[in-house]
Amino acid sequence: DVKVTQSSRYLVKRTGEKVFLECVQDMDHENMFWYRQDPGLGLRLIYFSYDVKMKEKGDIPEGYSVSREKKERFSLILESASTNQTSMYLCASNHPLKSGEQYFGPGTRLTVT
Amino acid sequence: SQQGEEDPQALSIQEGENATMNCSYKTSINNLQWYRQNSGRGLVHLILIRSNEREKHSGRLRVTLDTSKKSSSLLITASRAADTASYFCATSGTGANSKLTFGKGITLSVRP
Repeated sequence: DVKVTQSSRYLVKRTGEKVFLECVQDMDHENMFWYRQDPGLGLRLIYFSYDVKMKEKGDIPEGYSVSREKKERFSLILESASTNQTSMYLCASNHPLKSGEQYFGPGTRLTVT
Repeated sequence: SQQGEEDPQALSIQEGENATMNCSYKTSINNLQWYRQNSGRGLVHLILIRSNEREKHSGRLRVTLDTSKKSSSLLITASRAADTASYFCATSGTGANSKLTFGKGITLSVRP
């Protein structure tokens, strides 16, 4: 079974802090994605990556950056956390040539105070 | 930008009844997928239907796709309390990547 893990289930950070959210997948997937989920807004794509050291902006990249140094790991970075970044963050991965379904991690609920 | 829009936003039914959820989208797609999310958890893939398919079954799930109307429906038959969750449709565009665009979701409550 595909497994996607995220470093924390719950995280509380202060405004202005630099925050790292880590995601690891164990199925050798090329594609990895970061979403945020907010009530009434559904899932919105922040960044995605098709390969190591490759990244592309999604729909809402402002205030975020990413890093993909290894194929299995995709990190989301909040350079200076703000209260409007309080949200549920979901990581996903898939294989580009196989079924289009994405495999999701359990999510990290981030609160910025 | 949101592509999939689900309808209704919330649905409450009795155990044993069927649940029908609808999704509409705006642009051409490669495939349409349905996901389930239990409270506070990640999403789980349920079923994928390609643009050249009209209907697909998986256990108690039936998905239809009408590309002329740009709409899909998910039917869950003989619902169970464990089906209580949020359901999302997601569309994959016709471009070279497998990026998905998700709707806002439907909250399904199945009363025991």
